[in-house]
Amino acid sequence: NAGVTQTPKFQVLKTGQSMTLQCAQDMNHEYMSWYRQDPGMGLRLIHYSVGAGITDQGEVPNGYNVSRSTTEDFPLRLLSAAPSQTSVYFCASSSWGELFFGEGSRLTVL
Amino acid sequence: DQQVKQNSPSLSVQEGRISILNCDYTNSMFDYFLWYKKYPAEGPTFLISISSIKDKNEDGRFTVFLNKSAKHLSLHIVPSQPGDSAVYFCAASALGNTGKLIFGQGTTLQVKP
Repeated sequence: NAGVTQTPKFQVLKTGQSMTLQCAQDMNHEYMSWYRQDPGMGLRLIHYSVGAGITDQGEVPNGYNVSRSTTEDFPLRLLSAAPSQTSVYFCASSSWGELFFGEGSRLTVL
Repeated sequence: DQQVKQNSPSLSVQEGRISILNCDYTNSMFDYFLWYKKYPAEGPTFLISISSIKDKNEDGRFTVFLNKSAKHLSLHIVPSQPGDSAVYFCAASALGNTGKLIFGQGTTLQVKP
C-alpha cells in the first residue's frame, strides 16, 4: 500500500529558482493538504483542497501555488524560492477523520 | 495568531508512569480534535481523536480529554513506554473539514527507562 507519496525527498535550491514538490495518494481521498514544519512552529498549513478543481489557502500560503486537476495528485509549486522557505514539507490526504501524511520533503534554499 | 497552542515544548517521564500532554485552542468553531505522533525523519501518524460532543475517548494506553468550556484538551498515556518517545502534535478542525487541520507547535516526550 503506497498511501501518500512525496517526491523528491531532498532538494537544494538557489534563491530565485522555482520547483515543484509532487504529491500523490492512492486512497481516493477527497481532501489533500500541504504543511511545512519548522522548529518551534509545529506544522503550518500552506494550501489545501477539498476535491479536484477546488483549492484554498491555509495559514502560510505566500510564495506557494497549488492546483488539483485529479483526485490523486496535489503538487506544490514554489515560484521564486527564498531562504525563508527552507523547511520540511509534508503532504497529507483524508476522506473523513484522520489525515494520512507522506514521509516529507526536506527543502534547503541557499 | 496561534489558534492551537501547546505551551510545553518538552516533557520527560519515567517508564511506567503517566504522561500528560496539554493543548489549548482559541477558535470556538473547532469541533474535532486529534493527536498525532511523529518520529524523526518520518511523517506524523494519527494517534487518537475526539469529537466535541464527547469529553473523553480511550484507545488502549491513550486517553484524550476535552474540556470545551476551557478550550483545553489533554492526552494521557498510561503506562508510558520508551517507544512512546516522540513529538506529539495536537490538531483541530471545524465543520468536519479535515483537509484544514490546524496544528499546535508540538511537545517532545522523552520516556526514560
